[in-house]
Amino acid sequence: EAGVAQSPRYKIIEKRQSVAFWCNPISGHATLYWYQQILGQGPKLLIQFQNNGVVDDSQLPKDRFSAERLKGVDSTLKIQPAKLEDSAVYLCASSLGRTLEEAFFGQGTRLTVV
Amino acid sequence: AQSVAQPEDQVNVAEGNPLTVKCTYSVSGNPYLFWYVQYPNRGLQFLLKYITGDNLVKGSYGFEAEFNKSQTSFHLKKPSALVSDSALYFCAVKWTASKLTFGTGTRLQVTL
Repeated sequence: EAGVAQSPRYKIIEKRQSVAFWCNPISGHATLYWYQQILGQGPKLLIQFQNNGVVDDSQLPKDRFSAERLKGVDSTLKIQPAKLEDSAVYLCASSLGRTLEEAFFGQGTRLTVV
Repeated sequence: AQSVAQPEDQVNVAEGNPLTVKCTYSVSGNPYLFWYVQYPNRGLQFLLKYITGDNLVKGSYGFEAEFNKSQTSFHLKKPSALVSDSALYFCAVKWTASKLTFGTGTRLQVTL
């Protein structure tokens, strides 16, 4: 079974530039999560989708971050404009969608804002 | 607020000795608790989960965790540590609407 795919693996941008990350979840998984993991901290949930609807985006900085999951499969996370404090690993995860099911994570995208 | 706490930033143990990585939770209602491991430059990998039933849960790579409702804890354990177990371990809790919240992580260092 293929896992959660994310691209790119690494990205370096200057502050005020924009960047986009892509995630392809495990086939059949209805729930998709984007997490931000700053060095030395635990992952923080940015947004959670159930199919193509948003379940929770309470911790998403909506003035600069946006995410979409068209057709309920792939998802993109965008930052525009980026700030230095956005430097982190962005993790995508998916699960079958039922509350009791564990989430499966991709390898993440390491973003460095300089 | 629903949360998990990992009180130790790092745990050091000698290979062959038992290990414990601590986690406590604060959730109203019944918690769904998880342990994940993160190796360098890798994504998070699921180890085990507690939903209901037996308080001792067995997971991948010989790990197990004990759910203790009275102490609101879900400590990760392994009878005999390996050097290859050295990694970052995260406790997580799920409640309504499938929201998955992680602790701050504990770095496990196993030495020869």
